Amino acid sequence: GEKVEQHESTLSVREGDSAVINCTYTDTASSYFPWYKQEAGKSLHFVIDIRSNVDRKQSQRLIVLLDKKAKRFSLHITATQPEDSAIYFCAAYTNSAGNKLTFGIGTRVLVRP
Amino acid sequence: AQTIHQWPVAEIKAVGSPLSLGCTIKGKSSPNLYWYWQATGGTLQQLFYSITVGQVESVVQLNLSASRPKDDQFILSTEKLLLSHSGFYLCAWSLDWGGSAEQFFGPGTRLTVL
Repeated sequence: GEKVEQHESTLSVREGDSAVINCTYTDTASSYFPWYKQEAGKSLHFVIDIRSNVDRKQSQRLIVLLDKKAKRFSLHITATQPEDSAIYFCAAYTNSAGNKLTFGIGTRVLVRP
Repeated sequence: AQTIHQWPVAEIKAVGSPLSLGCTIKGKSSPNLYWYWQATGGTLQQLFYSITVGQVESVVQLNLSASRPKDDQFILSTEKLLLSHSGFYLCAWSLDWGGSAEQFFGPGTRLTVL
């Protein structure tokens, strides 16, 4: 089945700098790649997503890049702010094995003042 | 506006005891529903999904079962808890079927099995 590897377990950036989180996946049939944010002790909420028919998507300070050939996607948080500090999960969806969303292990992002 | 409510907020249970966790979605008819489990400090694992009342598909076998007795209700249960069941259980809903749509997560239930 699909495996999603999230390469950075922790990231510490200075406020105003960019943070980049990289993920790779294994199933070439994966077609949808969302990102979720989890603040300490809380639930998840949706951040941004990208579908396999595009290779770049931007929403305000967030940019997602998708390289289907390398089976890699990344989240770029630009001009980081203290409220960006959280755990970010990447995920990949495939319907080749039962409509499953597979998550990465999570990256803890800390934005230092 | 849609709201998602999970109960209980937290639970401490003994190994071998039964468990029932609930999830209710208000403000959206016929939502697609999902159960996830998150081990402490770990990633999320999708357990079940349901597209309609009375229909539930299992994604991962963890000695748990799920049911959808009403359009807006999703129940996760087991007759015998294991230590490995400890963690954070999240219910989610989406507008569109499948995993290829934004999912809205509930506040979660924290389960400790002793």
